[in-house]
Amino acid sequence: AQKITQTQPGMFVQEKEAVTLDCTYDTSDPSYGLFWYKQPSSGEMIFLIYQGSYDQQNATEGRYSLNFQKARKSANLVISASQLGDSAMYFCAMRESNTGGFKTIFGAGTRLFVKA
Amino acid sequence: GAGVSQSPSNKVTEKGKDVELRCDPISGHTALYWYRQRLGQGLEFLIYFQGNSAPDKSGLPSDRFSAERTGESVSTLTIQRTQQEDSAVYLCASSLGSTGELFFGEGSRLTVL
Repeated sequence: AQKITQTQPGMFVQEKEAVTLDCTYDTSDPSYGLFWYKQPSSGEMIFLIYQGSYDQQNATEGRYSLNFQKARKSANLVISASQLGDSAMYFCAMRESNTGGFKTIFGAGTRLFVKA
Repeated sequence: GAGVSQSPSNKVTEKGKDVELRCDPISGHTALYWYRQRLGQGLEFLIYFQGNSAPDKSGLPSDRFSAERTGESVSTLTIQRTQQEDSAVYLCASSLGSTGELFFGEGSRLTVL
């Protein structure tokens, strides 16, 4: 069963506008973490933001915020004031406990195109 | 350097040959991951090492794939009898214990002819 679902293969946004990238997850572990990573065309993986399952407030990092809705098991990434450099693949990831430690798995990704 | 180091950065091999990919994690990071990323696709979990615990091998696609890690240091991913479908970028990542984000290497691009 798919544990991390990103339903938007591609998204377009106008420069300077906000965009929301969707992510839903499935876990029975009460303690888990959610991450977003950016992968530009260069291929490097860039950590953007983290949300813990027990965190009361939504995480924010500069122009990035995570809209965490625990009951709905969603962890959408909001990018405000989009810039041309935001054009990239974006991956949602979940870290959950398993025997021996914590495993991190990734969604299929959303490709974001920022238009000038 | 201070980051995750992977080698080789590029490997071209013939079908049926064995390959070894190496990952040198950030010093002190107890967790180490291998992922496979085919062109235009997401990250496919392969294997996870956490300290001295038994590795989680649940993502290895076949018995041609294996990985080792000595303590909390270097890891090698071995692919035996390579097939064309093994062509991908193999990404290694490490993290500080069970918390914190993953730090990724630049990947090893494998091309099987």
